[in-house]
Amino acid sequence: QVQMQESGPGLVKPSETLSLTCSVSVGSINSYYWGWVRQPPGKGLEWIGYIYSTGSTTYNPSLKSRVTISLDASKKQFSLNLRSVTAADTAVYFCARLPSRYYGMDVWGRGTTVTVSS
Amino acid sequence: DIQLTQSPSTLSASVGDRVTITCRASQSVDSWLAWYKQRPGKAPKLLIYKASGLESGVPSRFSGSQSGTEFTLTISSLQPDDFATYYCQQYESDFPLTFGGGTKVQMK
Repeated sequence: QVQMQESGPGLVKPSETLSLTCSVSVGSINSYYWGWVRQPPGKGLEWIGYIYSTGSTTYNPSLKSRVTISLDASKKQFSLNLRSVTAADTAVYFCARLPSRYYGMDVWGRGTTVTVSS
Repeated sequence: DIQLTQSPSTLSASVGDRVTITCRASQSVDSWLAWYKQRPGKAPKLLIYKASGLESGVPSRFSGSQSGTEFTLTISSLQPDDFATYYCQQYESDFPLTFGGGTKVQMK
C-alpha cells in the first residue's frame, strides 16, 4: 500500500523560504500527479499545486508567484518551496497523490505543521 | 476561479440518522467533484470521486449525487466514526482546484 510522508522544518522565519519534501514509499512515481494542500489552524483546505511525473506543474494562482514544486523520481520524492513566507503561511501541509487529473486525491501524507515566526 | 459553497456549515445529528450535505459550484464543473472526510488531527480521506463514484474501501452508506451544479453527499445511517468534517473539491480541467468551506457533522 502506498504511503506518503512529509518532512521539513517545523519553524520558518518570516521572509524566508519554506521547504518540504514528500517521500513515496511504494510503487512508481510515474504516471501520477503529486500535490500539496495546506490547512491553516482551525480553517479549511487550500490546494497549493501539483506536479505530473513528467515534471509539468500547475499552481494555485493565489500562490503562483511564490511556489515551486519539483520532483526527483529516482528518490521517489517531490518537494515544495514557498518563498517570502509570512504568518499567514502557518498551516499543516499535506502531500497527496492524484491518480489522474480526473480523480480525487486518493492517498495523503499525515501532514506536517509549519509555523512562521521569528 | 470556481467557488464551492457548502451547506450547512455545521450539522447536528445522531447515530443512525440520514445526513445530507450540499455543495454548490459557482459554474459548471461537469461531474468533476470529489468528497472527503477529515477527522481532527488527521489527513482528509477520499470518499467519492466524479460526483458519485465510491472510492475503494469506503462503506456503501456513503453516496454522492449531482443535479446540475449542485452536488450532494449522503450518509444513509450515521455511524460513530462519521462525526467529522466533510469537504467537497472540484477538479474541472480548465480551472485551479478548489475546496468547499467544509461541513462539520457533530453529535446532537
